[in-house]
Amino acid sequence: DQQVKQNSPSLSVQEGRISILNCDYTNSMFDYFLWYKKYPAEGPTFLISISSIKDKNEDGRFTVFLNKSAKHLSLHIVPSQPGDSAVYFCAARGLGSQGNLIFGKGTKLSVKP
Amino acid sequence: GAVVSQHPSRVICKSGTSVKIECRSLDFQATTMFWYRQFPKQSLMLMATSNEGSKATYEQGVEKDKFLINHASLTLSTLTVTSAHPEDSSFYICSAARTQGGAFFGQGTRLTVV
Repeated sequence: DQQVKQNSPSLSVQEGRISILNCDYTNSMFDYFLWYKKYPAEGPTFLISISSIKDKNEDGRFTVFLNKSAKHLSLHIVPSQPGDSAVYFCAARGLGSQGNLIFGKGTKLSVKP
Repeated sequence: GAVVSQHPSRVICKSGTSVKIECRSLDFQATTMFWYRQFPKQSLMLMATSNEGSKATYEQGVEKDKFLINHASLTLSTLTVTSAHPEDSSFYICSAARTQGGAFFGQGTRLTVV
């Protein structure tokens, strides 16, 4: 049973517009959420994270929103750039865990010039 | 940011042979490292949790005798795929957990068994 879900396998956005990637989770014990960007045949690159005690974290063009009551988080990229085209993974860490992450299946973002 | 180096990035081996993949945290000590496997168009699946100085904890369905993990120091964990078969061909990724928080990934290893 998937604990972290990214229901959109792909997303296409025009350059300069906002990209919104969504992620849902089922386990209320998750205390930390992360977003990773991944290119083919490379390891994931950390983008941004948010603690469960916050509802928003911003870093440059990237903002992550957390809605604990809905068990939903989203990553906003604005303005989107062609170089943002990649697969984005949402990940969650359980409270008291050693740090192992549970990943969603990823969303492939394509930013068109 | 923290750096995790994984080597080799790509390896081709013959069926029946063993392959060792190294994962090093270059600028921090990692008491815990993780090994993931990614199949095409699928998510990263945790294989095992590697703890420095103790036995690794394997996820359900992962053969511990096939995927040998050694975490001999605070900066190095190795994954050895023993008696590799074509179905073991995959993309293997390690990550290291930093005490201050966050998990940082290696570059991944593309294993092809022929």
